[in-house]
Amino acid sequence: GEDVEQSLFLSVREGDSSVINCTYTDSSSTYLYWYKQEPGAGLQLLTYIFSNMDMKQDQRLTVLLNKKDKHLSLRIADTQTGDSAIYFCAEGGSNDYKLSFGAGTTVTVRA
Amino acid sequence: SQTIHQWPATLVQPVGSPLSLECTVEGTSNPNLYWYRQAAGRGLQLLFYSVGIGQISSEVPQNLSASRPQDRQFILSSKKLLLSDSGFYLCASPTPALNTEAFFGQGTRLTVV
Repeated sequence: GEDVEQSLFLSVREGDSSVINCTYTDSSSTYLYWYKQEPGAGLQLLTYIFSNMDMKQDQRLTVLLNKKDKHLSLRIADTQTGDSAIYFCAEGGSNDYKLSFGAGTTVTVRA
Repeated sequence: SQTIHQWPATLVQPVGSPLSLECTVEGTSNPNLYWYRQAAGRGLQLLFYSVGIGQISSEVPQNLSASRPQDRQFILSSKKLLLSDSGFYLCASPTPALNTEAFFGQGTRLTVV
């Protein structure tokens, strides 16, 4: 986890946008991922982005990648109570499929 | 489609007891398989990965071992558990087509008491 860093907590009001930030150190990373973990459950892939892309949008999710700064963000538009979970940033290379994960950001959605 | 089965879901074991967690994969052949551990307040730590039967690579020195007795079976073991082995253990496998997505099992929450 030391190679991928993200803030541990985020509180957001229902209906607002959430932005979760992540930094990584491995410049050879080919893919960057966002996973969601709901209480007591395993990890669920939300979205991923290739390292040659700057942005990817998928419904309420927008991923921004600044490869120069090695910075990845996940924006959730119109945050709902069902979005409350832990969100993990992960990076992986193309030569093997090992993923390095951040510590996870716990997102709490308040009414 | 690919599915990963992992059991048990929860486990409470005394210090010094043995451990065996099993992971099986359906819907693919010759998958790369991984064991991750999630400790409280920390990210997922890669413990072991396997590219084939009998082939195990260890990422960190520890009290645990892994085995790959069959193509789609990956086992995490310990002869004597320590308190520090408590955590959430996840088995994972990338998809065969794109090799970009890691599918995860539902995880085993291990509490060593």
